[in-house]
Amino acid sequence: DAKTTQPNSMESNEEEPVHLPCNHSTISGTDYIHWYRQLPSQGPEYVIHGLTSNVNNRMASLAIAEDRKSSTLILHRATLRDAAVYYCILRDVAGGGADGLTFGKGTHLIIQP
Amino acid sequence: DTGVSQDPRHKITKRGQNVTFRCDPISEHNRLYWYRQTLGQGPEFLTYFQNEAQLEKSRLLSDRFSAERPKGSFSTLEIQRTEQGDSAMYLCASSPALTGGVETQYFGPGTRLLVL
Repeated sequence: DAKTTQPNSMESNEEEPVHLPCNHSTISGTDYIHWYRQLPSQGPEYVIHGLTSNVNNRMASLAIAEDRKSSTLILHRATLRDAAVYYCILRDVAGGGADGLTFGKGTHLIIQP
Repeated sequence: DTGVSQDPRHKITKRGQNVTFRCDPISEHNRLYWYRQTLGQGPEFLTYFQNEAQLEKSRLLSDRFSAERPKGSFSTLEIQRTEQGDSAMYLCASSPALTGGVETQYFGPGTRLLVL
């Protein structure tokens, strides 16, 4: 799977929007962009995924650049419960996509009350 | 749906001992994954099953590591002759079959191993 680059950490205030960036300049046409997050002392949990178009779900929004070389996870109104490590992962489905996820170090999101 | 469960949640062992961890996936998920996570790092993929078949095991860290999923339901991960460097969180995940080429993995809470 292609490599992603994320900031090590970000800080935001409670009830404000948060934009978490991810660069993936070597993304291929069959790479899906997935985001997972890991709350303290828990396993990772799925947040959202997309291919080309922006996506929304109950947890977050995913904005994908037109050239697909970067994306942004948007938490519209952060709460203290959103403090976690957020991982941006590319998933190549060309060969069936049946393999483990490749996690980087992710972005440690700190939410200030 | 009770989610992915792992047992035990914590394990302390002495160097040289063997340990075995169990993972119960979400029922009817035919894919099961094992990961290892060391402090400050993201999870690292180890191995993967589709039903009872182990389709990827080249990422297992050494021949001391082995995994089974005998009936296509629960899985076990065994580490023989543990070393202090094996201290880590061991995570299990499961997923249904791919839908349109996209798969979501559901993770368990992990087993934290400490080798003294």
